[in-house]
Amino acid sequence: DVVMTQSPLSLPVTLGQPASISCRSSQSLVYSDGNIYLNWFQQRPGQSPRRLIYKVSDRDSGVPDRFSGSGSGTDFTLKISRVEAEDVGVYYCMQATHWPWTFGVGTKVEIQ
Amino acid sequence: QVQLVESGGGLVKPGGSLRLSCEASGFSFSDYYMIWFRQVPGKGLESISYISGSGSDTNYADSVKGRFTISRDNTRNSLYLQMSSLKVEDTAVYYCARSARVPKLGGQGTLVTVSS
Repeated sequence: DVVMTQSPLSLPVTLGQPASISCRSSQSLVYSDGNIYLNWFQQRPGQSPRRLIYKVSDRDSGVPDRFSGSGSGTDFTLKISRVEAEDVGVYYCMQATHWPWTFGVGTKVEIQ
Repeated sequence: QVQLVESGGGLVKPGGSLRLSCEASGFSFSDYYMIWFRQVPGKGLESISYISGSGSDTNYADSVKGRFTISRDNTRNSLYLQMSSLKVEDTAVYYCARSARVPKLGGQGTLVTVSS
């Protein structure tokens, strides 16, 4: 199975400051159709996971533009330009190129 | 707006069976692959099975292969997961999602607890 390695596992941030989460895959995520199926999910406390970003950098409708995704091959990044209180939660990267789809262990974002 | 309502979870003994359902609305159900994920409370996420829009293409994670069966009824806009020979380690919240490679969740999940 493809291993997704996230860092850091815990990310204390100051309101209004930027935050960045890294995700590395154990093999290339480029699929035969040319797409890279790397998605980012947010899970707020007590809620279900919610997709934020799909195919590396496409932001879901309703997701604030302070969230952005980037990367290629095996290295990916989720950035929050200015953290707000509602961004507290756990963030997961997920690859959907090689079955079974696999997730990172999650990065817990908290306000310091 | 994608809406997915999972149901059918509950408490079951090891070796028992359970059938989960996922009722979909807000999109053309038969046009999409669907997928089941699960999450052990307080832990990470695991993909367990997907099915094509027609039902002809399915796949399973090794952890559930031979014990779980995914199916769908496009006339009812519903997705199912038949779980048998349940193990304690199957205890989790089960979520369904639209699309396989760009999954979009939309429900609260259903809790399955396997315990004697």
